[in-house]
Amino acid sequence: DGGITQSPKYLFRKEGQNVTLSCEQNLNHDAMYWYRQDPGQGLRLIYYSQIVNDFQKGDIAEGYSVSREKKESFPLTVTSAQKNPTAFYLCASSMDLDYNYGYTFGSGTRLTVV
Amino acid sequence: EDKVVQSPLSLVVHEGDTVTLNCSYEVTNFRSLLWYKQEKKAPTFLFMLTSSGIEKKSGRLSSILDKKELFSILNITATQTGDSAVYLCAVFIIQGAQKLVFGQGTRLTINP
Repeated sequence: DGGITQSPKYLFRKEGQNVTLSCEQNLNHDAMYWYRQDPGQGLRLIYYSQIVNDFQKGDIAEGYSVSREKKESFPLTVTSAQKNPTAFYLCASSMDLDYNYGYTFGSGTRLTVV
Repeated sequence: EDKVVQSPLSLVVHEGDTVTLNCSYEVTNFRSLLWYKQEKKAPTFLFMLTSSGIEKKSGRLSSILDKKELFSILNITATQTGDSAVYLCAVFIIQGAQKLVFGQGTRLTINP
């Protein structure tokens, strides 16, 4: 079955450490996105990528980095520069031109800084 | 700045009640408005609205868009405990690249 896989589901990190969240899709979608969700704030866009080897900053990119070396994969690194990284992270994908059905979301990664 | 605002932020009702969730927006390059239901993890797609005044229905859920007043409502009739979730409104914009701008969500709790 086609879909988006995020791993791990839960992640604990010590302050000062970088950590990478995985997002893989087998939907042949061109566009991929990373969102952060905090209680009472909905989803906020971190980074997005429309094609391989290209990505753009979203609204809250500071302290995060991404890469898009393969169409299927869009990993997100939470760096030590991110001041409040504890949150729920959602990855999504869409066909670049097919906005008729919105996005397909992964199941998310809950990151906790200890 | 593109903005999507949902109200109320939280709502508690009894099973069988009818609820209306609101979503207003101020964005450039509007293409469509989407509603999602999020129970625990991944949001699941409910509706996409592009034209004013055309109601979309799926069972007990319905939604309509007013592009003149820049808002949408999501109605749920005869609510059930399984309707308890966070309901997210998002606006799809194309500004060079396409992206979804989300509201804060409405947390709906249905008590038996």
